[in-house]
Amino acid sequence: GNSVTQMEGPVTLSEEAFLTINCTYTATGYPSLFWYVQYPGEGLQLLLKATKADDKGSNKGFEATYRKETTSFHLEKGSVQVSDSAVYFCALRDNTGNQFYFGTGTSLTVIP
Amino acid sequence: NAGVTQTPKFQVLKTGQSMTLQCAQDMNHEYMSWYRQDPGMGLRLIHYSVGAGITDQGEVPNGYNVSRSTTEDFPLRLLSAAPSQTSVYFCASSRDSRDTQYFGPGTRLTVL
Repeated sequence: GNSVTQMEGPVTLSEEAFLTINCTYTATGYPSLFWYVQYPGEGLQLLLKATKADDKGSNKGFEATYRKETTSFHLEKGSVQVSDSAVYFCALRDNTGNQFYFGTGTSLTVIP
Repeated sequence: NAGVTQTPKFQVLKTGQSMTLQCAQDMNHEYMSWYRQDPGMGLRLIHYSVGAGITDQGEVPNGYNVSRSTTEDFPLRLLSAAPSQTSVYFCASSRDSRDTQYFGPGTRLTVL
């Protein structure tokens, strides 16, 4: 079946530190991959996506590359800010395009 | 545009009671979905709809009913609430299943 595994949190970083949040997936065929961000008390917002192998999604300084050979979609940012504090979810959309599977979420806190 | 709206924001039920969580969108989106968010489990898909009159089950459909009589509305019904249904519920919509999903602010449900 389909599933997403992402690194356990919480993660605490100092401002301007490098961020990596690991995400690996299991899926049949060729899923699309996503990173969503959830700020306190709000719904999820799409951060970036990649729809085929070797695609790189990027937005607001965040990047993730769809690696089919390692079934991974790790999220990275070179220099985090306090405003990046949130919960980050990795997700996949299955072959049919109709069903989404989310990871458990990783809480990030950035301290000044 | 109001985007995706959900009501109520908070709800407390007793075991065995029924209720309907409302979800509406004003973006003329065809695809709508319901998720529940539980600690340590991420988001799990309950039901989804690819258009008016068409619904299908997601990963965790038991105990929930949906219908889609209009493009705008996608209510989620709990016929006989159980404590295991205590969760935060999110509704989402997108132009189609392959487009970006927009999430509502969530409904926090407690079943005693």
